[in-house]
Amino acid sequence: GAGVSQSPRYKVAKRGQDVALRCDPISGHVSLFWYQQALGQGPEFLTYFQNEAQLDKSGLPSDRFFAERPEGSVSTLKIQRTQQEDSAVYLCASSLRAGLGSRDTQYFGPGTRLTVL
Amino acid sequence: DQQVKQNSPSLSVQEGRISILNCDYTNSMFDYFLWYKKYPAEGPTFLISISSIKDKNEDGRFTVFLNKSAKHLSLHIVPSQPGDSAVYFCAASARNYGQNFVFGPGTRLSVLP
Repeated sequence: GAGVSQSPRYKVAKRGQDVALRCDPISGHVSLFWYQQALGQGPEFLTYFQNEAQLDKSGLPSDRFFAERPEGSVSTLKIQRTQQEDSAVYLCASSLRAGLGSRDTQYFGPGTRLTVL
Repeated sequence: DQQVKQNSPSLSVQEGRISILNCDYTNSMFDYFLWYKKYPAEGPTFLISISSIKDKNEDGRFTVFLNKSAKHLSLHIVPSQPGDSAVYFCAASARNYGQNFVFGPGTRLSVLP
């Protein structure tokens, strides 16, 4: 069955460039999460969508980070004016139900490895 | 300030023996805990979970133990197999603390044949 997919799998950007990372969640999943995983660390929460509504963006590290999910399915994480500290793996996860994300199994995509030079 | 800690970055175990991975947490609001397994170049995959109303949950070779008073949980794998070699993340959540999981830094398990 189709799981969560992410593209591109690898992205190299020069400092100052804008990047866009795509997530295709499992069909029918209401909840969608973005996490950032630095080398040697666990995933850290960035933002949460319930359908098209961004209900929590408390983990976004700066206003250079922007996420959207306009039709309640595919989501895009955009990073403007990338900096070296943005280098990390960006993971997307989805879960079936709404409002129970903290109790519902989250299914992760393979991630996008972003390297900022 | 890490709310979920996994103090052993790595662990090596002989095939067939028991693997014990440990996790400590500091936030007393956490009431649901999970273990995820991650292979290289793949996303984390769910392994097992436990609610704070229980102190043990078992699924095949995997058992998670929760000690609420010590704010400690552990994952036991018996018997360990080479295919269990992966990074294991402990994660926690709280019903009134947002929808996301809070992850530990992970422990790399190597099961030696």
